[in-house]
Amino acid sequence: KAGVTQTPRYLIKTRGQQVTLSCSPISGHRSVSWYQQTPGQGLQFLFEYFSETQRNKGNFPGRFSGRQFSNSRSEMNVSTLELGDSALYLCASSLAGAINQPQHFGDGTRLSIL
Amino acid sequence: AQKVTQAQTEISVVEKEDVTLDCVYETRDTTYYLFWYKQPPSGELVFLIRRNSFDEQNEISGRYSWNFQKSTSSFNFTITASQVVDSAVYFCALSEAKASGTYKYIFGTGTRLKVLA
Repeated sequence: KAGVTQTPRYLIKTRGQQVTLSCSPISGHRSVSWYQQTPGQGLQFLFEYFSETQRNKGNFPGRFSGRQFSNSRSEMNVSTLELGDSALYLCASSLAGAINQPQHFGDGTRLSIL
Repeated sequence: AQKVTQAQTEISVVEKEDVTLDCVYETRDTTYYLFWYKQPPSGELVFLIRRNSFDEQNEISGRYSWNFQKSTSSFNFTITASQVVDSAVYFCALSEAKASGTYKYIFGTGTRLKVLA
């Protein structure tokens, strides 16, 4: 069974640009969550999508957005990039995003802002 | 407010030593779940264990064991006879239901374990 796939693995952008990250969940999983991981802040929850609807949202500015497609694949977009957006972005999927379900993570996309 | 505290930022041990990673959580709910994840240098978090708030039984899986104590709001993780391959960042996480019917997942800041040969 294929795991969670995130593309690309690495990205280098400059301030002011925008970026789109992609996540393909495990087959059959309908919930996809996104996290930002930085050395100082640990894992910060961005948002969760279920059946193409954003169901949960963390405390991030509106520059961070996402969407989910009918096949459960998800994309995350960050506009007007800032230096502080440099981080490892992790995608996680679970069957239905229920309270008791563990999340399965991808390898992440490492975003560097110059 | 929900909170997960992993006070140990980094631990170094020599191979074959036992090591315990601490996790303390805060929640007002009676129904919640606790998780441990391992993040090796490759970056992918790997699910290790789940425990619900009504099950205080300790669990052992090979060299890994977990001690859940509601009285102290702790869910500690012990690795017996550590190996170099255990070197990773370990995260404790709490999941509990929100009023909206969805859930909230809170991660601790992680403990970096270095096992030296």
